[in-house]
Amino acid sequence: EMQLVESGGGLVQPGRSLRLSCTASGFTFGEYTVTWVRQAPGKGLEWVGIIRTKTYGPTMEYAASVKGRFTISRDDSKSIAYLQMSSLKAEDTAVYYCVTGSHYFGVFDIWGQGTLVSVSS
Amino acid sequence: DIVVTQSPDSLAVSLGERATIHCKSSQSILYNSNNENYLGWYQQKPGHPPKLLIYWASTRESGVPDRFSGSGSGTDFTLTISTLQAEDVGVYYCQQYYTTPPAFGGGTKVEIK
Repeated sequence: EMQLVESGGGLVQPGRSLRLSCTASGFTFGEYTVTWVRQAPGKGLEWVGIIRTKTYGPTMEYAASVKGRFTISRDDSKSIAYLQMSSLKAEDTAVYYCVTGSHYFGVFDIWGQGTLVSVSS
Repeated sequence: DIVVTQSPDSLAVSLGERATIHCKSSQSILYNSNNENYLGWYQQKPGHPPKLLIYWASTRESGVPDRFSGSGSGTDFTLTISTLQAEDVGVYYCQQYYTTPPAFGGGTKVEIK
């Protein structure tokens, strides 16, 4: 069974950094694109960014709201993807999900359970 | 960037009745070379991640009950729950994956009347 598990969330002060991890199991991680999606409390879903497979670089792309502050990386040998978040703002407070697609990279059928990041002083 | 708009924001439907949710993209998400619409539908229940229901606008994900169906093409799409069950309560999102960034609609909250 394909599974993703996020970790690393917590309470952090504005301006500080935090790194989230997404650990995969049940599939050949290196063959799949990983996407990060977030959901602010009581709000909808927001795409954060993507890291493609080594076949495509790997290349990363980011939402305008996080570009320059967030960095996605991956370690295929450990089946882990990372979301490094810096210069955090209150509006970054959200549940962060890592997701992937077994049908097509943009079809998100595999979701982690999410990890909550709270940015507050 | 493609913008995706859902309507209504919420709807209340009686058990056993039909629920219909609309999704509109700001430009066509039909890829002519494969004749596929790059649109998915998700269901989210409180405290849980979203669950994929439909992809390619009308392909039902494995294990999803056949009361859920997707239709539409180009820029206008519909998710229909033919006979609403109590367990269908939740928020439904459409999502285009034709281009990066993929975009989600704002969500439609479905409740029991």
